[in-house]
Amino acid sequence: DAGVIQSPRHEVTEMGQEVTLRCKPISGHNSLFWYRQTMMRGLELLIYFNNNVPIDDSGMPEDRFSAKMPNASFSTLKIQPSEPRDSAVYFCASSLGRRNLHYGYTFGSGTRLTVV
Amino acid sequence: GEDVEQSLFLSVREGDSSVINCTYTDSSSTYLYWYKQEPGAGLQLLTYIFSNMDMKQDQRLTVLLNKKDKHLSLRIADTQTGDSAIYFCAEPDTGRRALTFGSGTRLQVQP
Repeated sequence: DAGVIQSPRHEVTEMGQEVTLRCKPISGHNSLFWYRQTMMRGLELLIYFNNNVPIDDSGMPEDRFSAKMPNASFSTLKIQPSEPRDSAVYFCASSLGRRNLHYGYTFGSGTRLTVV
Repeated sequence: GEDVEQSLFLSVREGDSSVINCTYTDSSSTYLYWYKQEPGAGLQLLTYIFSNMDMKQDQRLTVLLNKKDKHLSLRIADTQTGDSAIYFCAEPDTGRRALTFGSGTRLQVQP
């Protein structure tokens, strides 16, 4: 398995533009998580899905952020409009779910977003 | 929510043992985890410990769990330069049903 695949690896965009981050989880994993990593705040959970259904989006900073999981093999995180304070590394992770907690999460390599 | 705390930085010499400490808050956590993040990469699961265990050993890694004090530690024996990375402990947030991560401990291994 190729692991969790995120694209793009790097994104530089101007303030006000729409940004879409993409994630392909590991086949067979039924939970998917979006985290954001910054120096100031560390790793923050933004949203997670179980069986393609959003379960908890309380970590989404504001309405400018939205996430979808149209099927078991694809998820997107969209920021519209983007702001400089959104600059961070965004990670996607997947897992086998609560019945297999000892496997933990498998993380993608992340998308480094810079908003100028 | 849960609050997982770690010291920010640790520097050791190659060949020495490293001990990275973590305190967590949820006494009902079933599993506790250690992840490693190398520069420019995602987090990689290093090891985990089940809450009914006090210790787990996996090659050069030893995890100690003190449930009474809610203290978790990761010991790396014979630390190598390739062990230089950021190490995160994590526990399940029972409210949000997802992992909460500590701030990470940056381990620097000097040759």
